[in-house]
Amino acid sequence: AQKVTQAQTEISVVEKEDVTLDCVYETRDTTYYLFWYKQPPSGELVFLIRRNSFDEQNEISGRYSWNFQKSTSSFNFTITASQVVDSAVYFCALSEPSNAGNMLTFGGGTRLMVKP
Amino acid sequence: ETGVTQTPRHLVMGMTNKKSLKCEQHLGHNAMYWYKQSAKKPLELMFVYNFKEQTENNSVPSRFSPECPNSSHLFLHLHTLQPEDSALYLCASSQDHSGTTWETQYFGPGTRLLVL
Repeated sequence: AQKVTQAQTEISVVEKEDVTLDCVYETRDTTYYLFWYKQPPSGELVFLIRRNSFDEQNEISGRYSWNFQKSTSSFNFTITASQVVDSAVYFCALSEPSNAGNMLTFGGGTRLMVKP
Repeated sequence: ETGVTQTPRHLVMGMTNKKSLKCEQHLGHNAMYWYKQSAKKPLELMFVYNFKEQTENNSVPSRFSPECPNSSHLFLHLHTLQPEDSALYLCASSQDHSGTTWETQYFGPGTRLLVL
């Protein structure tokens, strides 16, 4: 069973629109970590945020914000006033300490295209 | 150089060739990882090294052979690959990979491999 689901495979928006990328996860652990990474066309995965399961406070960093809802097992990512440079594939990932070695399980990714 | 670097960035090889991918991290980390990213498939963890010792082998075929001579360098030796091995190979590092703590993984730009 897939543990991290990013149901949106592709999203296309026009510059300055707000966009939300969905992430739903499954885990039986009470302690776990959630991540978002950005993969621009160059290929490198750029770390954006790490959130542990005990911290449900939403986080804002510039135009980026994250909404963590344990009740719905979701960790959604919103980009406000999107820009062309935001075009990339975005991955949500889960780490469960009960897994051997705290492995990262990635979702399938959401390709975001921001058009001028 | 800063962060995680990978060479070469692009590689084309025949099925009978032997080649090696190199990863170097300049972050003072102790854990290093190889991932495979194929088209239309989630990121797959291949190998994990913690303090130069291999701690995970995610059922990877023996035609992929990792080597970690020290905490800063990681190699992936390739021989008699198949066309389906064509993918983006990503290296990552983290502070450590113990069972009680979890550190963010930082990724390199990847090597795009094409097997003919």
